[in-house]
Amino acid sequence: KNEVEQSPQNLTAQEGEFITINCSYSVGISALHWLQQHPGGGIVSLFMLSSGKKKHGRLIATINIQEKHSSLHITASHPRDSAVYICAVRRGGADGLTFGKGTHLIIQP
Amino acid sequence: SAVISQKPSRDICQRGTSLTIQCQVDSQVTMMFWYRQQPGQSLTLIATANQGSEATYESGFVIDKFPISRPNLTFSTLTVSNMSPEDSSIYLCSLGVQGAGEQFFGPGTRLTVL
Repeated sequence: KNEVEQSPQNLTAQEGEFITINCSYSVGISALHWLQQHPGGGIVSLFMLSSGKKKHGRLIATINIQEKHSSLHITASHPRDSAVYICAVRRGGADGLTFGKGTHLIIQP
Repeated sequence: SAVISQKPSRDICQRGTSLTIQCQVDSQVTMMFWYRQQPGQSLTLIATANQGSEATYESGFVIDKFPISRPNLTFSTLTVSNMSPEDSSIYLCSLGVQGAGEQFFGPGTRLTVL
């Protein structure tokens, strides 16, 4: 079993829909990251969470430390949101990241 | 934020040869990480490169195959040695701030081994 599990693996939705991507992890962590990877391969950090909830524009990320679960929400989705969204966890402050397999999101016009 | 550049951006290499990937950061950072993304897979941590000490390798990765240098706080190299087609991947360097800070990634080096 992977230490970081994401669902769904693939998601196709219509423009304007509310999107939820889930992430569960099985180890103790110091932080959880949500990342976005575009087809060219570039990776952008969206959020870093250690507790609670963060919001940036149409993106919202939440984490429940007790349940070892995080969600990434996209409101009013747009075709430009199409990308791979990756959940990654950091165990200790000086450790590298352990990644989920990613969610391939396609938003159709 | 931090700006990270990698060279080369892509390369096609022959089996048995070696390639050195360079990672340059525009600010001084303590921790740098090297990741691999095999086709269709997510990223896997290869090693942590800290300036002034030996790199720390993850399970399944060894120094003889992936030697790393970290001569100063703004630069690191990863060498993929004695390459085989299984080494065909995107290799990314990354930096992070100790204490669970934001993570920054380089643009990646796309390696194809024939």
